[in-house]
Parts: sequence; structure tokens; C-alpha cells
Amino acid sequence: QVQLQESGPGLVKPSGTLSLTCVVSGDSITSNYWWTWIRQSPGKGLEWIGEIHHSGRTEYNPSLKSRVTISVDKSKNQFSLNLSSVTAADTAVYYCTSASYYKSDYWGQGTLVTVSS
Amino acid sequence: QSALTQPPSASGSPGQSVTISCTGTSSDVGGYNSVSWYQQHPGKAPKVMIYEVSKRPSGVPDRFSGSKSGNTASLTVSGLQAEDEADYHCSSYAASNSYVFGTGTKVTVL
Repeated sequence: QVQLQESGPGLVKPSGTLSLTCVVSGDSITSNYWWTWIRQSPGKGLEWIGEIHHSGRTEYNPSLKSRVTISVDKSKNQFSLNLSSVTAADTAVYYCTSASYYKSDYWGQGTLVTVSS
Repeated sequence: QSALTQPPSASGSPGQSVTISCTGTSSDVGGYNSVSWYQQHPGKAPKVMIYEVSKRPSGVPDRFSGSKSGNTASLTVSGLQAEDEADYHCSSYAASNSYVFGTGTKVTVL
């Protein structure tokens, strides 16, 4: 089964760029999943950020689209998230997932990213 | 796009049933048969319990069921057990090739 592990800085300064990587194991990133980023602000609900297919096709949350880039590295079996111009409102636990049939089947453990100076 | 509306809390005694609603619009819940439900225990990642409105992934007990009418989807947990106490989140495919989540519901087993 697919296993996912997020990694990246736990602290990002305001106006900076949040960068996270998700390493995929147990399956190839070229398998027929959409590779997805979802976040959860402390004590709040989930928010879909966006997704990428190994073909390179991406889809983004319209409210974040101007600040988000998701990319895939087939050679390393991983995908990444960049979120620019961050503010305190971007403080959240960020999850990477694999999605099929309109659902996220497998989830990483999540990584907390705090935006603060 | 706005978050789907869920009640903040729901509760029931062991063995009883609890139903959680998830209300959206014709641009998300009402427009697609792509509603999913996730269970999340404290400090853990969510787990999918229902997908495509009413389908259960392998390993999910048949105590969990889903349905949809118009712009509102529902999750019913029958025969409540202590381990069902968790947060539940709905999700729907939406226009603009995106997804929207619900506001989340905390289920308490009394």
C-alpha cells in the first residue's frame, strides 16, 4: 500500500515561501493517482490546496491558485508544494495524500508549518 | 468557493444511530455524485469512510452509510461504538476542477 511522508521547514517567515515535499513509497508516482495537498488550520476544518497527476496536469483551489505551485519529481518518487507570500493564516498542519475516485485514500502523518517572524 | 456546512457537534449513546448533514450548493454537493466522508481522531490523519456518496472502502464497517438528496449529503453511523467518537469531515468535488471540505462535526459517544 502507498505510504506518504511530508518534510520541510516547520517555521516560515511572513511574506516568505512555504515549501514541502512528500516522498511516496510502496507505489510509483506514475501510478494512476492524483497526488494531493490538504491543510488543516489549528482547531479547524480541512482545506483542499491542490493536486497533480504524474502527467504534469495540476488543479488548484481557486482561492489559493495565485500563490500555489505543485510539482512532481518522478526520479525521486516525490511531489512538492510551494505556497508563496505566506501570512499567519497559512499556519496549519499540511497533509499529502494520494487520491482516486474523488477521495484521498492514503495520507501522510501531516507536518505542522507555523508562519511567524 | 465556500466550505460545506456541517453541524458543529452530534452525539448518541452506544448502540444508537447518529446522522450528520453536509450542505452545499448545486455547484458542489448537488452537482456531482462525488461526496466523501472522513473520520479523524485527535492528532491523527483523516481516514476515508465513504466515497462517491454511498460507497464504503474495503475494511470500513457497514455501520457507516452515506446518502444524498439535492444539495445535502448525510453520513449515518449505526450501532454507535466508543471508537466512533471522532471528528467527521465531508468533501465534495466542485466546479473549477477543485474540491471543497465541510466545516467538520465532532461526534461524541455518550
